[in-house]
Amino acid sequence: KQEVTQIPAALSVPEGENLVLNCSFTDSAIYNLQWFRQDPGKGLTSLLLIQSSQREQTSGRLNASLDKSSGRSTLYIAASQPGDSATYLCAVRRDGANSKLTFGKGITLSVRP
Amino acid sequence: NAGVTQTPKFRVLKTGQSMTLLCAQDMNHEYMYWYRQDPGMGLRLIHYSVGEGTTAKGEVPDGYNVSRLKKQNFLLGLESAAPSQTSVYFCASSYKGHRVTSGNTIYFGEGSWLTVV
Repeated sequence: KQEVTQIPAALSVPEGENLVLNCSFTDSAIYNLQWFRQDPGKGLTSLLLIQSSQREQTSGRLNASLDKSSGRSTLYIAASQPGDSATYLCAVRRDGANSKLTFGKGITLSVRP
Repeated sequence: NAGVTQTPKFRVLKTGQSMTLLCAQDMNHEYMYWYRQDPGMGLRLIHYSVGEGTTAKGEVPDGYNVSRLKKQNFLLGLESAAPSQTSVYFCASSYKGHRVTSGNTIYFGEGSWLTVV
């Protein structure tokens, strides 16, 4: 059974800091991995999706990397801003008839002004 | 462009009552999903559908039923609500879920807060 772990559960950093959020998964046979952002009281918004054949994806100040063999992904946020404060979740998807996404529990990020 | 819309947003039920959560998407997506999100448990898949008229069980289907009579709608029913079903429920949709490419991702509604007392 696939398990996705995100540690720590919460993180507080000063504005302007570059930071890395970690995600690990137990089964390396994944189809893709996705990072989401969730604001309080809201649904999830997809940030980046990395296919299993890719090593990284970039969008603005965000960069996500994937190391399938070690079962790890990182989300790098450059020059953090208070508006980046949210919960960040990673999720992995297996191929096949079951298109289920397995989510981590998320990392709640607080960026202090 | 409304995306994924869930109704109602908030509901308080008494134990044993029934209710239906409605999810509607306007993106012509084949795949639709119902998740629940609980503190310390993350998001867990309840049921999903790969097309109109189809449904399938997810990780935690017990106590819930679903129907997909129209492609744009996915209903989640609680026949006899229990306090353990107090949660935030999220509907999501995607185009051909297991063939998602960087151009096709999964879209979530804003959630339905359900309290069972």
